Amino acid sequence: AAGVIQSPRHLIKEKRETATLKCYPIPRHDTVYWYQQGPGQDPQFLISFYEKMQSDKGSIPDRFSAQQFSDYHSELNMSSLELGDSALYFCASSLGTGADTQYFGPGTRLTVL
Amino acid sequence: EDQVTQSPEALRLQEGESSSLNCSYTVSGLRGLFWYRQDPGKGPEFLFTLYSAGEEKEKERLKATLTKKESFLHITAPKPEDSATYLCAVLFSGGYNKLIFGAGTRLAVHP
Repeated sequence: AAGVIQSPRHLIKEKRETATLKCYPIPRHDTVYWYQQGPGQDPQFLISFYEKMQSDKGSIPDRFSAQQFSDYHSELNMSSLELGDSALYFCASSLGTGADTQYFGPGTRLTVL
Repeated sequence: EDQVTQSPEALRLQEGESSSLNCSYTVSGLRGLFWYRQDPGKGPEFLFTLYSAGEEKEKERLKATLTKKESFLHITAPKPEDSATYLCAVLFSGGYNKLIFGAGTRLAVHP
């Protein structure tokens, strides 16, 4: 079965640079979620989109922005990167915004030097 | 405060030694409880969804149960390939559609 696709899988950036992470949800899924997982931490919710509209917002820094496009893929844009932004970034998708199961992608490992 | 607590933090088992992992939650209006398995450096892999107290789900050596205050993930006759971190997460009223995760239980199964 098709899964959530994330690219790139690994990304190395310098401080103050920008990064763009991409997420392609499971086909027919209309809701996308972004989570950040620091070393030894549990995933923390950043932001979600349903039908191309932002549906919920968590602990996402103002330096980050995201959007969902007409084909339902999503991009997380990160600017003025800081050392503390180094983490695994996961995208998840679901069908609808009820209590539907969120299926996670393999993640993007971002390292900020 | 809405909270999810998992215990134990780490668990070491011998192959074939059955055990249970606990996930207790204090949230207002549980909408769903989810169990995931996560291998190092990989994305959480979905295992089970439970929606109401008394519900049980089973898959191979794993069985998940739910009460009004907690969920258990029972592992029967585990194998070394069951070694992973097991994450519990909840959706609750007022939390819209963001998952709140517990800190996870790191399970190591030795031959």
